[in-house]
Amino acid sequence: DGGITQSPKYLFRKEGQNVTLSCEQNLNHDAMYWYRQDPGQGLRLIYYSQIVNDFQKGDIAEGYSVSREKKESFPLTVTSAQKNPTAFYLCASSPQDRGGGQPQHFGDGTRLSIL
Amino acid sequence: AQRVTQPEKLLSVFKGAPVELKCNYSYSGSPELFWYVQYSRQRLQLLLRHISRESIKGFTADLNKGETSFHLKKPFAQEEDSAMYYCALGPGGYNKLIFGAGTRLAVHP
Repeated sequence: DGGITQSPKYLFRKEGQNVTLSCEQNLNHDAMYWYRQDPGQGLRLIYYSQIVNDFQKGDIAEGYSVSREKKESFPLTVTSAQKNPTAFYLCASSPQDRGGGQPQHFGDGTRLSIL
Repeated sequence: AQRVTQPEKLLSVFKGAPVELKCNYSYSGSPELFWYVQYSRQRLQLLLRHISRESIKGFTADLNKGETSFHLKKPFAQEEDSAMYYCALGPGGYNKLIFGAGTRLAVHP
């Protein structure tokens, strides 16, 4: 189904290489997020953006970078500085919080592995 | 510190048995709490939120501020309830979510 599209589904990274994960949404949501999912640890927030051209670090931003040039797109780059990049990466979006809390809508995820 | 604790990694029950998935949170302000579910080969999706006070697929969850808990309950489990369940805390106003480690619910026939 539509909503949030992440690509690719599987990605392999070589040592010293930067890779970019794509996330596109057609829900007209203002806010977008990147999470990392590791077994037994739940989801941890990497970066989030509440509006175009603005983003904030989450709990585990080191070794990652993002951009938010368009409302519908929020790509995540896993840089060579990220020493343990093997994980499942989830992108999400939500309407802007108006004080009552807004649920987040998730993509299908990208699984990143080291070659 | 803001934290969500789901003490059980796996909860295994038989069909028709009651289910309670535990969630405790740590937050000094007014919390916004959610339960998300991930069925096999499907994307993570919202199950319910405390502010709605509704029942979804027979599941309910009550916010207990005194015990800082938001346990998810269902009186009679079904096999199709088998999934990974995540409790999430939304510190108000910032649209961020803090997730617990998740509990896998396995409902056996």
